[in-house]
Amino acid sequence: GQQLNQNPQSMFIQEGEDVSMNCTSSSIFNTWLWYKQDPGEGPVLLIALYKAGELTSNGRLTAQFGITRKDSFLNISASIPSDVGIYFCAGVKDSNYQLIWGAGTKLIIKP
Amino acid sequence: DTAVSQTPKYLVTQMGNDKSIKCEQNLGHDTMYWYKQDSKKFLKIMFSYNNKELIINETVPNRFSPKSPDKAHLNLHINSLELGDSAVYFCASSEGFGGTDTQYFGPGTRLTVL
Repeated sequence: GQQLNQNPQSMFIQEGEDVSMNCTSSSIFNTWLWYKQDPGEGPVLLIALYKAGELTSNGRLTAQFGITRKDSFLNISASIPSDVGIYFCAGVKDSNYQLIWGAGTKLIIKP
Repeated sequence: DTAVSQTPKYLVTQMGNDKSIKCEQNLGHDTMYWYKQDSKKFLKIMFSYNNKELIINETVPNRFSPKSPDKAHLNLHINSLELGDSAVYFCASSEGFGGTDTQYFGPGTRLTVL
C-alpha cells in the first residue's frame, strides 16, 4: 500500500539538542498525525493537525501541517532521555479513509 | 485501568502451530484494529472492525482470521504459523471509523515462530 516518506530513518543526538523530522508524500492529505512509540509499548498520539499551515505544540514538541498539504514536520526542542523512541507520522486523505503510516524515525539520545 | 489490553505479551511457538492473540478495550469504542509491526518497525494495518463488522481486510494470508465476539473484543487467530509471521502484533481501538479518530494502541504481542 501507499507509504509516507519519513525522514530521517534514525537520529543519534546529544541530550539537550533540538530534533527535526519530516514526512512527505506525493498526495494531498487532509489530516496529519504524529505518534510516538516508546520501547516495548504501542504508539501514542502526540499531535494532530487538521489544516494547511497549522502549527501545534504539545510541550516541547511542535508540529506543522505543510502549506502544500503534502508534508508535515515535527520538532522537539531541548531533547531529554525520555524522548527516546520511534516517531511515526500518519496521514488521512479523507475522514472515511484509513490512516496511512510513515516508516518511523528512531530517536536515540547519546549519554 | 488499562484501556487496550492484549494477551499474551509474548508468544513463542513452533512452525505449523495454530495460535490466538486476544484483545480487549474498555473505552467503549466502536472500531478495533490489528496491526503487524515487522523487524524494521513498519506498522502495517491488517484488519479493522467497526461494530463487530469487518471494514478493512488488507492483503493478509487466509491463515489469519480475526473474530469480534462483541464491540469490546477483537481476537486474532493464526493457523499454520510460518517463520515470516514473527513480529509484534498490535491491537488498537478508536471511537469511530474515520481516519481522524485517535487510535489507542495496546502494548503489543511479540510473536516468535521457531
